[in-house]
Amino acid sequence: KAGVTQTPRYLIKTRGQQVTLSCSPISGHRSVSWYQQTPGQGLQFLFEYFSETQRNKGNFPGRFSGRQFSNSRSEMNVSTLELGDSALYLCASSPKTGAISTQYFGPGTRLTVL
Amino acid sequence: EDQVTQSPEALRLQEGESSSLNCSYTVSGLRGLFWYRQDPGKGPEFLFTLYSAGEEKEKERLKATLTKKESFLHITAPKPEDSATYLCAVTSGGSNYKLTFGKGTLLTVNP
Repeated sequence: KAGVTQTPRYLIKTRGQQVTLSCSPISGHRSVSWYQQTPGQGLQFLFEYFSETQRNKGNFPGRFSGRQFSNSRSEMNVSTLELGDSALYLCASSPKTGAISTQYFGPGTRLTVL
Repeated sequence: EDQVTQSPEALRLQEGESSSLNCSYTVSGLRGLFWYRQDPGKGPEFLFTLYSAGEEKEKERLKATLTKKESFLHITAPKPEDSATYLCAVTSGGSNYKLTFGKGTLLTVNP
C-alpha cells in the first residue's frame, strides 16, 4: 500500500506571498492532520480534517488554513508568509478519528521563506 | 494542556552499548502514547503505540514500556543504523485526539 505523499517536497517563497501544500493520505484513510516542525519548537499540531470537516485546530494564526476534499486529499494554505513560517510541514493520515488511531506521516514539504 | 518532555536531548552510544530513552508526560486522561523514529529530511516513522500503564511492546532491538507518568524506549545492542531522532507523542481525550510531541532524543550509534 502506498504511503502518504506530499507535494511539493521543497518550496522557496518570499515574505508576503502565499503558499498551498498538498497531501494525499494512505488509501482508505479518512483523517488527515497537519503539523509544523521547526528546530526550536519541534512538531506542533496545526489542524485535523475528517470527512471534509475540520475536527481540531492548534494554536496557529488564521493565516494558516486547510481543507479536505471528498477523496480525503487535503491542502493547507499559508497566506502573507513570514520568515518564521520557514519549517518542515508534515501531513499524517489515519484510518479514523474519534478513537485512538495511529497516524502515519508523509515525507514533508520543506518551506523556506526569504 | 498536554505536555511531553524527552530526555536526554542527545545520546551517543557505541555499537552494542544498550541504553534507554525517557519520555515523561502530563496529560488529562491518556488515551495513547506513540513512539516514532525520524531520519534527517524525512517524516516520522511509526514504531509503537502504548495504551495503558504496564504495557510493553518490542520490535527488533527496541522495547517500549509505559508507566502512569513516563515511557521508556530501551535499545538493546544498538547498531549504527539505529541512529535517528526518536520522538514521543501523546494523545488524550482532553486534546480531542491531536498528537502532542516531545522535542525528541537524537541518538547516534558509533561503529
